[in-house]
Amino acid sequence: DAEITQSPRHKITETGRQVTLACHQTWNHNNMFWYRQDLGHGLRLIHYSYGVQDTNKGEVSDGYSVSRSNTEDLPLTLESAASSQTSVYFCASSDSTGTGGTEAFFGQGTRLTVV
Amino acid sequence: AQKVTQAQTEISVVEKEDVTLDCVYETRDTTYYLFWYKQPPSGELVFLIRRNSFDEQNEISGRYSWNFQKSTSSFNFTITASQVVDSAVYFCALVTGANSKLTFGKGITLSVRP
Repeated sequence: DAEITQSPRHKITETGRQVTLACHQTWNHNNMFWYRQDLGHGLRLIHYSYGVQDTNKGEVSDGYSVSRSNTEDLPLTLESAASSQTSVYFCASSDSTGTGGTEAFFGQGTRLTVV
Repeated sequence: AQKVTQAQTEISVVEKEDVTLDCVYETRDTTYYLFWYKQPPSGELVFLIRRNSFDEQNEISGRYSWNFQKSTSSFNFTITASQVVDSAVYFCALVTGANSKLTFGKGITLSVRP
Protein backbone atom coordinates (compact mmCIF):
# COMPACT_ATOMS: atom_id res chain seq x y z
CA ASP A 1 0.00 0.00 0.00
CA ALA A 2 1.14 3.54 -0.74
CA GLU A 3 1.99 5.60 2.28
CA ILE A 4 3.68 8.70 3.61
CA THR A 5 6.18 8.34 6.44
CA GLN A 6 7.99 10.82 8.62
CA SER A 7 11.16 10.33 10.60
CA PRO A 8 12.03 10.65 13.34
CA ARG A 9 8.74 10.49 15.23
CA HIS A 10 10.24 12.28 18.22
CA LYS A 11 13.31 14.46 18.49
CA ILE A 12 14.89 16.61 21.15
CA THR A 13 17.52 19.07 20.03
CA GLU A 14 19.40 22.02 21.42
CA THR A 15 18.95 25.64 20.50
CA GLY A 16 21.12 26.64 17.57
CA ARG A 17 21.54 23.18 16.08
CA GLN A 18 20.54 22.33 12.54
CA VAL A 19 17.80 19.73 12.36
CA THR A 20 16.34 17.88 9.39
CA LEU A 21 12.99 16.13 9.43
CA ALA A 22 12.41 13.54 6.75
CA CYS A 23 9.25 12.94 4.75
CA HIS A 24 8.91 10.13 2.22
CA GLN A 25 5.83 9.25 0.19
CA THR A 26 5.14 6.37 -2.15
CA TRP A 27 1.91 7.77 -3.62
CA ASN A 28 3.89 9.31 -6.52
CA HIS A 29 2.22 12.63 -5.70
CA ASN A 30 3.65 15.81 -7.15
CA ASN A 31 2.35 18.00 -4.29
CA MET A 32 4.04 17.87 -0.91
CA PHE A 33 3.56 20.09 2.12
CA TRP A 34 4.95 20.74 5.57
CA TYR A 35 2.70 22.01 8.36
CA ARG A 36 3.28 22.71 12.01
CA GLN A 37 0.62 22.20 14.65
CA ASP A 38 0.50 24.35 17.75
CA LEU A 39 -2.18 24.70 20.39
CA GLY A 40 -4.52 27.52 19.52
CA HIS A 41 -3.23 27.81 15.96
CA GLY A 42 -4.36 24.65 14.23
CA LEU A 43 -2.09 23.61 11.37
CA ARG A 44 -0.07 26.25 9.59
CA LEU A 45 1.75 25.83 6.30
CA ILE A 46 5.54 26.10 6.40
CA HIS A 47 6.69 25.18 2.88
CA TYR A 48 5.29 23.34 -0.08
CA SER A 49 6.33 21.88 -3.41
CA TYR A 50 4.40 21.17 -6.58
CA GLY A 51 7.12 19.05 -8.15
CA VAL A 52 10.81 18.26 -8.40
CA GLN A 53 12.98 21.37 -8.01
CA ASP A 54 9.92 23.44 -7.04
CA THR A 55 9.67 24.88 -3.52
CA ASN A 56 7.53 27.68 -2.11
CA LYS A 57 7.20 29.50 1.18
CA GLY A 58 4.10 29.13 3.25
CA GLU A 59 2.61 31.18 6.04
CA VAL A 60 5.33 30.49 8.65
CA SER A 61 8.49 29.80 6.66
CA ASP A 62 11.06 31.87 8.59
CA GLY A 63 13.82 29.66 9.94
CA TYR A 64 12.89 26.68 7.75
CA SER A 65 13.98 25.43 4.35
CA VAL A 66 13.08 22.55 2.06
CA SER A 67 14.51 20.98 -1.08
CA ARG A 68 12.87 18.66 -3.60
CA SER A 69 15.35 16.56 -5.56
CA ASN A 70 12.93 13.71 -6.32
CA THR A 71 9.22 13.03 -6.27
CA GLU A 72 9.22 10.93 -3.11
CA ASP A 73 11.01 13.15 -0.57
CA LEU A 74 10.64 16.62 0.91
CA PRO A 75 13.01 17.06 3.87
CA LEU A 76 12.42 20.01 6.17
CA THR A 77 15.49 21.71 7.64
CA LEU A 78 15.57 24.00 10.64
CA GLU A 79 18.68 26.03 10.01
CA SER A 80 19.27 27.04 13.63
CA ALA A 81 16.67 25.56 15.95
CA ALA A 82 14.86 27.94 18.30
CA SER A 83 12.56 27.22 21.22
CA SER A 84 9.71 28.78 19.24
CA GLN A 85 10.06 25.90 16.79
CA THR A 86 9.05 23.34 19.39
CA SER A 87 5.98 21.88 17.74
CA VAL A 88 4.43 18.88 16.03
CA TYR A 89 5.31 18.78 12.35
CA PHE A 90 3.18 17.10 9.71
CA CYS A 91 4.11 16.27 6.16
CA ALA A 92 1.40 15.76 3.56
CA SER A 93 1.10 14.90 -0.11
CA SER A 94 -1.66 15.18 -2.68
CA ASP A 95 -2.28 14.39 -6.31
CA SER A 96 -1.81 17.22 -8.78
CA THR A 97 -3.97 15.84 -11.59
CA GLY A 98 -7.43 17.18 -12.26
CA THR A 99 -8.68 20.59 -11.21
CA GLY A 100 -7.17 20.71 -7.78
CA GLY A 101 -8.58 20.28 -4.31
CA THR A 102 -7.65 16.65 -4.03
CA GLU A 103 -7.45 14.92 -0.68
CA ALA A 104 -4.16 15.32 1.15
CA PHE A 105 -2.60 12.33 2.90
CA PHE A 106 -0.69 13.07 6.09
CA GLY A 107 2.26 11.46 7.77
CA GLN A 108 2.11 10.41 11.42
CA GLY A 109 3.77 13.60 12.61
CA THR A 110 7.13 14.44 14.21
CA ARG A 111 7.19 15.90 17.70
CA LEU A 112 10.18 18.23 17.93
CA THR A 113 11.35 19.75 21.19
CA VAL A 114 14.02 22.44 21.18
CA VAL A 115 15.72 22.91 24.56
CA ALA B 1 -6.83 35.50 0.98
CA GLN B 2 -8.73 32.61 2.41
CA LYS B 3 -9.68 31.93 5.99
CA VAL B 4 -11.41 29.22 7.97
CA THR B 5 -13.05 29.96 11.30
CA GLN B 6 -14.01 27.32 13.81
CA ALA B 7 -15.46 29.44 16.57
CA GLN B 8 -16.03 26.56 18.96
CA THR B 9 -12.80 25.49 20.62
CA GLU B 10 -13.99 22.74 22.96
CA ILE B 11 -17.24 20.80 23.12
CA SER B 12 -18.16 18.21 25.70
CA VAL B 13 -21.18 15.93 25.31
CA VAL B 14 -22.51 12.78 26.85
CA GLU B 15 -22.55 9.65 24.74
CA LYS B 16 -25.56 9.34 22.41
CA GLU B 17 -26.05 13.09 22.21
CA ASP B 18 -26.01 14.74 18.79
CA VAL B 19 -23.34 17.38 18.26
CA THR B 20 -22.70 19.91 15.50
CA LEU B 21 -19.28 21.33 14.74
CA ASP B 22 -19.37 24.68 12.99
CA CYS B 23 -17.13 25.85 10.17
CA VAL B 24 -17.25 29.21 8.41
CA TYR B 25 -14.96 29.98 5.50
CA GLU B 26 -13.91 33.04 3.53
CA THR B 27 -12.68 33.13 -0.04
CA ARG B 28 -13.15 35.26 -3.13
CA ASP B 29 -12.63 32.31 -5.44
CA THR B 30 -15.67 30.75 -7.04
CA THR B 31 -13.98 27.36 -7.23
CA TYR B 32 -12.95 25.93 -3.90
CA TYR B 33 -12.96 22.74 -1.89
CA LEU B 34 -13.86 22.15 1.73
CA PHE B 35 -12.58 19.36 3.92
CA TRP B 36 -13.01 17.91 7.36
CA TYR B 37 -10.21 16.00 9.07
CA LYS B 38 -10.29 14.12 12.36
CA GLN B 39 -7.30 13.93 14.72
CA PRO B 40 -7.85 11.24 17.36
CA PRO B 41 -5.73 11.14 20.54
CA SER B 42 -3.16 9.00 18.70
CA GLY B 43 -2.30 12.09 16.68
CA GLU B 44 -2.72 11.14 13.04
CA LEU B 45 -4.91 13.18 10.70
CA VAL B 46 -7.77 11.26 9.15
CA PHE B 47 -9.60 12.54 6.10
CA LEU B 48 -13.38 12.56 6.52
CA ILE B 49 -14.91 14.41 3.59
CA ARG B 50 -14.23 16.67 0.62
CA ARG B 51 -16.84 18.92 -0.96
CA ASN B 52 -16.42 21.23 -3.95
CA SER B 53 -18.06 24.63 -4.25
CA PHE B 54 -20.39 23.55 -7.03
CA ASP B 55 -21.99 20.77 -5.04
CA GLU B 56 -24.20 22.01 -2.24
CA GLN B 57 -25.84 18.67 -1.67
CA ASN B 58 -25.66 17.60 1.92
CA GLU B 59 -23.97 14.31 2.64
CA ILE B 60 -24.61 11.58 5.15
CA SER B 61 -22.23 8.79 6.01
CA GLY B 62 -23.48 6.62 8.83
CA ARG B 63 -23.67 8.78 11.95
CA TYR B 64 -21.88 11.65 10.22
CA SER B 65 -23.55 14.32 8.13
CA TRP B 66 -22.37 17.54 6.55
CA ASN B 67 -24.38 20.65 5.73
CA PHE B 68 -22.84 22.93 3.10
CA GLN B 69 -24.48 26.34 2.69
CA LYS B 70 -22.86 28.81 0.30
CA SER B 71 -25.28 31.54 1.34
CA THR B 72 -23.74 31.58 4.82
CA SER B 73 -20.28 30.31 3.81
CA SER B 74 -20.63 27.42 6.20
CA PHE B 75 -19.77 23.75 6.11
CA ASN B 76 -21.02 22.26 9.35
CA PHE B 77 -20.48 18.72 10.57
CA THR B 78 -22.98 16.81 12.69
CA ILE B 79 -22.35 13.61 14.59
CA THR B 80 -25.55 11.80 15.49
CA ALA B 81 -25.65 9.61 18.58
CA SER B 82 -22.07 10.41 19.52
CA GLN B 83 -19.76 7.71 20.85
CA VAL B 84 -16.65 7.83 23.00
CA VAL B 85 -14.57 6.93 19.93
CA ASP B 86 -15.65 10.24 18.38
CA SER B 87 -13.52 12.07 20.92
CA ALA B 88 -10.91 13.90 18.83
CA VAL B 89 -9.88 17.24 17.42
CA TYR B 90 -11.78 18.06 14.25
CA PHE B 91 -10.38 20.40 11.62
CA CYS B 92 -12.19 22.13 8.81
CA ALA B 93 -10.00 23.15 5.88
CA LEU B 94 -10.23 25.02 2.58
CA VAL B 95 -8.46 24.78 -0.77
CA THR B 96 -9.10 27.45 -3.39
CA GLY B 97 -8.95 27.19 -7.18
CA ALA B 98 -6.27 24.92 -8.61
CA ASN B 99 -4.13 25.65 -5.59
CA SER B 100 -3.67 22.53 -3.49
CA LYS B 101 -2.66 24.20 -0.24
CA LEU B 102 -4.95 23.50 2.69
CA THR B 103 -5.90 26.39 4.93
CA PHE B 104 -7.00 24.98 8.27
CA GLY B 105 -9.24 26.27 11.01
CA LYS B 106 -7.89 26.10 14.55
CA GLY B 107 -9.76 22.90 15.30
CA ILE B 108 -12.50 21.87 17.71
CA THR B 109 -11.74 19.48 20.55
CA LEU B 110 -14.70 17.16 21.04
CA SER B 111 -14.95 15.11 24.22
CA VAL B 112 -17.62 12.46 24.42
CA ARG B 113 -18.20 11.20 27.97
CA PRO B 114 -19.62 7.76 28.65
